[in-house]
Amino acid sequence: EVQLLESGGGLVQPGGSLRLSCAASGFSFDSYTMSWVRQAPGKGLEWVSTLSGSGDKSYYADSVKGRFTVSRDNSKRTLYMEMNGLRAEDTAVYYCAKYLAVAGLDALAVWGQGTTVTVSS
Amino acid sequence: AIQMTQSPSSLSASVGDRVTITCRASQGIGDDLSWYQQQPGKAPKLLIFSAAGLQSGVPSRFSGSGSGTEFSLTISSLQPEDFATYFCLQDYSYPRTFGQGTKVDIK
Repeated sequence: EVQLLESGGGLVQPGGSLRLSCAASGFSFDSYTMSWVRQAPGKGLEWVSTLSGSGDKSYYADSVKGRFTVSRDNSKRTLYMEMNGLRAEDTAVYYCAKYLAVAGLDALAVWGQGTTVTVSS
Repeated sequence: AIQMTQSPSSLSASVGDRVTITCRASQGIGDDLSWYQQQPGKAPKLLIFSAAGLQSGVPSRFSGSGSGTEFSLTISSLQPEDFATYFCLQDYSYPRTFGQGTKVDIK
């Protein structure tokens, strides 16, 4: 069974840092592009970042560019999001998600349960 | 960035109703559009990929159509478990962008 399990969320002060993890199982992790998507309380979904299977191509939303860094350790089957300079508007549930196919189908087929980040003093 | 305009933002419907939700892209995106269902407190679930492809395990009452800039998600006969919020996502270019969401509730 394909599974994604996020961790690392919590309460952090404005300007602080946090690292999220997404542990994957049940598929060939290093073959799949992965994404982070977030959802602020009571709001819609916001795409945050995407990283290719090999880790050589990354993409970011303008709202996080320069502050967040996506990475992966394929030997540990884990996706990461390093978040620095956190702001109140970064408060959200953060989901990791797996692309539908190795190539050509970029829909987000499998999602984790999410981890909550709260930025507040 | 491509903007996705989803409508309506909410609708009320009854069990058995046919429901259609629309997404409009600010520029052509071919068929690079997917649809998601989100129940309260849960992660989103993929329903439709490539505008019209039904994801494995999704009931056939869900269908998608469209290409270019106009897309729609149709539920042919609304079931109790379909009351949820629905989002579209353009998979065409970065940054990826979601529609604002459509909340479907019980009339």
